[in-house]
Parts: sequence; C-alpha cells; structure tokens
Amino acid sequence: DIVLTQSPGTLSLSPGESATLSCRASQSLRSTFLAWYQQKPGQAPRLLIYGASSRATGIPDRFSGSASGTDFTLTITRLEPEDFAVYYCQQYGSSLWTFGQGTKVEIK
Amino acid sequence: QVQLLQSGAELKKPGSSVKVSCKASGGTFNNFAISWVRQAPGQGLEWMGGSIPLFGTTNYAQNFQGRVTITADTSTSIAYMELSSLRSEDTAVYYCARGFGITLVKAAVGFDIWGQGTMVTVSS
Repeated sequence: DIVLTQSPGTLSLSPGESATLSCRASQSLRSTFLAWYQQKPGQAPRLLIYGASSRATGIPDRFSGSASGTDFTLTITRLEPEDFAVYYCQQYGSSLWTFGQGTKVEIK
Repeated sequence: QVQLLQSGAELKKPGSSVKVSCKASGGTFNNFAISWVRQAPGQGLEWMGGSIPLFGTTNYAQNFQGRVTITADTSTSIAYMELSSLRSEDTAVYYCARGFGITLVKAAVGFDIWGQGTMVTVSS
C-alpha cells in the first residue's frame, strides 16, 4: 500500500504569511487521485484540492496544489485567520484510499 | 445542495456491533461513491471502506476486513456502515463522505461532501 508522509507536523505562522505543506508518497501514484483537505476542530473535513492541483468548488485561489513525481505540495498564500487548521493529503490506489497523518497550521 | 445526514451518537459495549446510517438529503447516490472515514479522539483520518452503487463495487481497508460492512440503498439514498466485534479502540467519530468525479477505473477523485459525523463510544 502507498504510504503518505506529511511534513512538517506543525507549522507556526502569522496571518499574512505563506504556508507550504508537503506530502510525499512511498511510491508513484496518479496525480488524478491526490486530494487535500482542511479540518477545523469539531468539524468534518473540507475538500480543498483534487487531482493534485484543481481547486474544489468555493475554495479561494490562495490555496493551490502542485505535484512533482512522488512529492505533492499544498501552498496557502496570505494566510487568513480562518486558515489555521489541520490539513490532510489523501491518495487512491489499488482500490484503497489512504490519508497522510496531517499537518497542523497554527498561529505563531 | 446535497447534504449527508448521519444518525446519532452511540454507546456500545465491547464485543457488540454498531450500525451508522447516512442519508443523502437533496440528492441521490447515483453516479457517486460513498466512503466511511473514522477519526479517533485527537488522531488523524482513517479510511474504512467505500462503495460505488453504480458499479456494485465495495472495497474495505485491510485494517477492517471481516469486521465492517458497507451498504448503500440507492432507492432511499441511505448508506450504512456496520462495524462488529467492537473494542475500546473503535471509539471515534465516524464520517460518511461522497466521492465524486467517478473515473474510468471506477474510483472517485475526492470526497466533496461529508456528513456531520457520528460519535461511537465503546465502553463497558
């Protein structure tokens, strides 16, 4: 099974700064099946990015996704107060979905 | 706007089973997939399994093989997740999620709509 490793575990930033979140796959996977989610305390996850770089409906353009081989990146430019949350990457392969362990973006 | 409405919180004894429902309000499961994801307290997201009613396919994560059953009734737009042989480690919030963008390989490209979550507590 493909393992997704997210880094860093925690990112401490100030509003207005940019965040770069990494998700590394243990083996090659189709970018079509790489997604990113945001989760706030007490809430269900929210889809941000699918297909590695396509923004989901209603997601602001300060969120962007990219891919390079087995490395996937979620970038959040100009952090807003509501962006401080936990972010998960997710992949599909061999009929199974797996999630990364998450990156927490906290206010510095 | 489609919403996924899940059944209420459950308190279960170890060794028993729990069945959680997920109803699509304002839409159907047709042309979509339904997955179940759980989250233990303070932990990350764990995919349990999913179904694509259009293709009649259901897949389960290896960690739950033999203990979980996922069904989807397209006539009522209700999906169910039943987990048996419960143990304390199964205490978690259980989410249903809609998979969209079904591809030629019979897989969704992401989960765009989530239920509100159902807290399942396993305790003697």
